[in-house]
Amino acid sequence: DAGITQSPRHKVTETGTPVTLRCHQTENHRYMYWYRQDPGHGLRLIHYSYGVKDTDKGEVSDGYSVSRSKTEDFLLTLESATSSQTSVYFCAISERAGGDETQYFGPGTRLLVL
Amino acid sequence: EDKVVQSPLSLVVHEGDTVTLNCSYEVTNFRSLLWYKQEKKAPTFLFMLTSSGIEKKSGRLSSILDKKELFSILNITATQTGDSAIYLCASVNTNAGKSTFGDGTTLTVKP
Repeated sequence: DAGITQSPRHKVTETGTPVTLRCHQTENHRYMYWYRQDPGHGLRLIHYSYGVKDTDKGEVSDGYSVSRSKTEDFLLTLESATSSQTSVYFCAISERAGGDETQYFGPGTRLLVL
Repeated sequence: EDKVVQSPLSLVVHEGDTVTLNCSYEVTNFRSLLWYKQEKKAPTFLFMLTSSGIEKKSGRLSSILDKKELFSILNITATQTGDSAIYLCASVNTNAGKSTFGDGTTLTVKP
């Protein structure tokens, strides 16, 4: 599992409230990613990071912001949650060794916005 | 815009059958293609492919990439009920390893 944890694992919130999801890794990986997974849409990239304080947008970044103040933590914030943001959120890291690369996923966070 | 298309979207087979899952891609600055298996939790890594024509194999699963025709296949031989899952493929480009995922193929293996 490449030492990735996500918190919380489940959250129910109301429309209009801010929500922050945390991804924590213990193996000093440079690249980290946030995805959301919805039925019929597969996994879609929200934001990614290529180092401390270095982040960029993915394909579905509207309504989300991220921060990475230290290597091990990558935070995803929904500034004002909407029902369309009900989803399963996965954090991932990219591991590269000897020309090979893979992405490992965290366990996921199920978010329900009422 | 990068695009990955998987087919079929779903497949039902019986134990012992062989299946072939398809993944085609259109990616700017392609670096690699990844295959994952997802059961009722996070995706787990199966294969990474970067070179055409070189088969990757793990037990009953194998995969190959064709960079000229821009597709990859995942083969599963002698399927078992434990192979039932969603199989995802993703293209990775050279920009910070950004991945684009297909919608997945849902495989159901019946006893």
